Amino acid sequence: AQKITQTQPGMFVQEKEAVTLDCTYDTSDPSYGLFWYKQPSSGEMIFLIYQGSYDQQNATEGRYSLNFQKARKSANLVISASQLGDSAMYFCAMRESSWGNNRLAFGKGNQVVVIP
Amino acid sequence: EADIYQTPRYLVIGTGKKITLECSQTMGHDKMYWYQQDPGMELHLIHYSYGVNSTEKGDLSSESTVSRIRTEHFPLTLESARPSHTSQYLCASSELGSQQETQYFGPGTRLLVL
Repeated sequence: AQKITQTQPGMFVQEKEAVTLDCTYDTSDPSYGLFWYKQPSSGEMIFLIYQGSYDQQNATEGRYSLNFQKARKSANLVISASQLGDSAMYFCAMRESSWGNNRLAFGKGNQVVVIP
Repeated sequence: EADIYQTPRYLVIGTGKKITLECSQTMGHDKMYWYQQDPGMELHLIHYSYGVNSTEKGDLSSESTVSRIRTEHFPLTLESARPSHTSQYLCASSELGSQQETQYFGPGTRLLVL
C-alpha cells in the first residue's frame, strides 16, 4: 500500500504568490516523522522542513510552513512568496518509528513551476 | 548544511562494465543510505548502513553491493552494469540518535548504461 500520496498534477504559480502542495500519508504507528524535500532539475535532494507526529504546532522554516492535520493524515507544504528558484519537484516523505532503520517512504512528488 | 559528496555526477558506460559510485560525508554521521530514483519518480531505498562494517539491503531489490569500511565512506558497486541499471543514485546520511534523524542527501549520480 502506498504510504505517501501526492496526486497533484504539475503546478504553475505566479512569482510572489503562495502555493500549497498536498501530501497525505498512511500509518498506524503513533510515532512518526514527516519531511519535505525539494529536488531542482540538478537532481540533489534538499531538506526543507520536518514535522513530528507529537509536535503540537505546525512546523515553519522561513518561507516554508507545514499544515499538519493529524486526524486527516495530511501534511501539506505551503510555500509563501514564491521565487523563481522555487521551481522544482517537491517530495513528501515519512519515517515510522517502528521501522527501526530510519527508512523514509517517499511520495511521487509534486512539480512546481514559478512563472514571472 | 549537509557536507555529502558523490562522484561521478554523471556516468555513461557500456553493458558488462564494473562500476563504483562513490559517496563520502564529512559530518561524522553513523547512518548512510543509497536510494535509486528513476526520472520523475519517487526514491527507493536499496542499501543502508548503521556504521562501520554494517550494511543491509533496503526495500528495492538491487544487484548492487555496498561496503562501509570507514564511517565517512559508503561506495556502491555494480559488478556488471546493464541498461536496466540506468537511473539516478542518491546517497544520504543521518546522525544516529538525533530526534529528527533528518537524512541529508548528496548531489546524486546519473548513470546511463548503454
